[in-house]
Amino acid sequence: GAGVSQSPSNKVTEKGKDVELRCDPISGHTALYWYRQSLGQGLEFLIYFQGNSAPDKSGLPSDRFSAERTGGSVSTLTIQRTQQEDSAVYLCASSPYTGELFFGEGSRLTVL
Amino acid sequence: GDSVTQMEGPVTLSEEAFLTINCTYTATGYPSLFWYVQYPGEGLQLLLKATKADDKGSNKGFEATYRKETTSFHLEKGSVQVSDSAVYFCALSDVGTGFQKLVFGTGTRLLVSP
Repeated sequence: GAGVSQSPSNKVTEKGKDVELRCDPISGHTALYWYRQSLGQGLEFLIYFQGNSAPDKSGLPSDRFSAERTGGSVSTLTIQRTQQEDSAVYLCASSPYTGELFFGEGSRLTVL
Repeated sequence: GDSVTQMEGPVTLSEEAFLTINCTYTATGYPSLFWYVQYPGEGLQLLLKATKADDKGSNKGFEATYRKETTSFHLEKGSVQVSDSAVYFCALSDVGTGFQKLVFGTGTRLLVSP
């Protein structure tokens, strides 16, 4: 499709396991963003990519969180040794540089 | 740091009622302001925006005016429809970062009944 695609849409994992969340942005969009939406919270900025580099990763909550982007396209957000407080909806957005953000439907992560 | 505060929901209205969702912000600079909407089962999408004081953003019958003196960006619609039922997010852009890093409010759920 033409929109931002995220997978999996739902992920249930056990505490301590690693998870990978994938984002496939709109073709040609140079900027890619990851946000997190926890219950009752607003959207929390995690990291921003311009091309394959991440000029701002200030929102990553701990060193258990990492993200990469390859080929200026697909991005993967990895959470190692998941904790219950990591349970949230992880949203990806892409945009032409400084343009409107286009969001995916999100990946809902539940850590038991 | 920059922040956005919006009214808690849910807001429950009957069809054709007038809608206001309040949003106020705190920012050190001169941010751009946005309303995003999330319909059930869909991703967030931009509803409207305003980039400077006194600008009015409008789309799909919704309006919001950038009020610098009251640091507000309230969302209004004169006559809501059932199809407007969604979660609405107010946001500002952190212009100091040089890219469109958005700071969001917690969202307000709107429920419109026939």
